[in-house]
Amino acid sequence: AQKITQTQPGMFVQEKEAVTLDCTYDTSDQSYGLFWYKQPSSGEMIFLIYQGSYDEQNATEGRYSLNFQKARKSANLVISASQLGDSAMYFCAMREGPYSGAGSYQLTFGKGTKLSVIP
Amino acid sequence: DAGVTQSPTHLIKTRGQHVTLRCSPISGHKSVSWYQQVLGQGPQFIFQYYEKEERGRGNFPDRFSARQFPNYSSELNVNALLLGDSALYLCASSLATDFLNTEAFFGQGTRLTVV
Repeated sequence: AQKITQTQPGMFVQEKEAVTLDCTYDTSDQSYGLFWYKQPSSGEMIFLIYQGSYDEQNATEGRYSLNFQKARKSANLVISASQLGDSAMYFCAMREGPYSGAGSYQLTFGKGTKLSVIP
Repeated sequence: DAGVTQSPTHLIKTRGQHVTLRCSPISGHKSVSWYQQVLGQGPQFIFQYYEKEERGRGNFPDRFSARQFPNYSSELNVNALLLGDSALYLCASSLATDFLNTEAFFGQGTRLTVV
């Protein structure tokens, strides 16, 4: 079974409008972290926002916010006031615990959503 | 400050050949991870090294191997290349603390084409 599911292969949004990118996850761990990354055509993955499983508040970082619904195992990314530069691939990723020892770090990614911002 | 640097940025190899990809992490980061991203898919975890020891291995054949050097840079080696190995190979460095919110920083990747 997929651990991270992003059901929207592509999304279009008008410039200055808000858009929600969906992400659902599957884990039996109580302790885990959820990340959103942006990947422009250049290929580099750019960190956007983080939500921990024990965080009571939804994360926000500037124009990015995370709609975290733990019972539904969803962590949707909301981008407000879309800009042309937001056009890119967006990936949801999860880091699970407990770990395989000190220094362990592994991310599981979804298939991504391609966002296109229309002028 | 320099970010994660990967070399080469692009390369073309023939089936059956061997390839070595290189990664230099951010200064102070002791963890390096490798991911394979096939066109149209999300990155898939290959290996993670911390303090020169392998800490994680993804579901990849033994043709894939890696190592980390005393300066924390890393190499990913792929033997007997197949057409299906064509992908963007991403390197990520992190502090790899036990805090879940530790961020991974990615390089721009090496785009490997196998012909």
